[in-house]
Amino acid sequence: NAGVMQNPRHLVRRRGQEARLRCSPMKGHSHVYWYRQLPEEGLKFMVYLQKENIIDESGMPKERFSAEFPKEGPSILRIQQVVRGDSAAYFCASSRPGQGARETQYFGPGTRLLVL
Amino acid sequence: KQEVTQIPAALSVPEGENLVLNCSFTDSAIYNLQWFRQDPGKGLTSLLLIQSSQREQTSGRLNASLDKSSGRSTLYIAASQPGDSATYLCAVLDDKIIFGKGTRLHILP
Repeated sequence: NAGVMQNPRHLVRRRGQEARLRCSPMKGHSHVYWYRQLPEEGLKFMVYLQKENIIDESGMPKERFSAEFPKEGPSILRIQQVVRGDSAAYFCASSRPGQGARETQYFGPGTRLLVL
Repeated sequence: KQEVTQIPAALSVPEGENLVLNCSFTDSAIYNLQWFRQDPGKGLTSLLLIQSSQREQTSGRLNASLDKSSGRSTLYIAASQPGDSATYLCAVLDDKIIFGKGTRLHILP
């Protein structure tokens, strides 16, 4: 059973471009979570999604950031018009349905975004 | 608002020593507490998960304790090895996972 997969593993963008980060959950998992880790910081919760629904986006910046988890395909975290401060590691985690956010989360390897 | 603090931020110890990493949290109403390991440029590896009703968990040379009432957890590593060098993250779960900033551990050969 493959773990949580994220791609790309490394992404370089120039200021003003768009970044798209993908996350494929573990088989049988229908809940996805995105976290951001700024340099020298801990991981911070961004958004919690189920298939076709955003459950909790309280950690998402109000502008330029969006997330989706369509019925088919991976979850996408989209950052429009990137700025240098968006440079960070973005981690995805997935869990089974059941107890919602209290289910054990399994983490992917992360996507490291560098904005030039 | 839940806050998780880890002390120290960095630690270097000679190989073979036992060591303790500390984690504190401000709101004791947690569902569970989890310790992770993160290697440079890598993802997170779950080490130990302690449910709120439990006091400790053990896995090999690792032992994690939880004192909910005082808002503290410790991760004890016995007989440290150079391969233990990594950043150790503490995380608590209430309605979402809240992470500490981690302790960067360096084991000196």
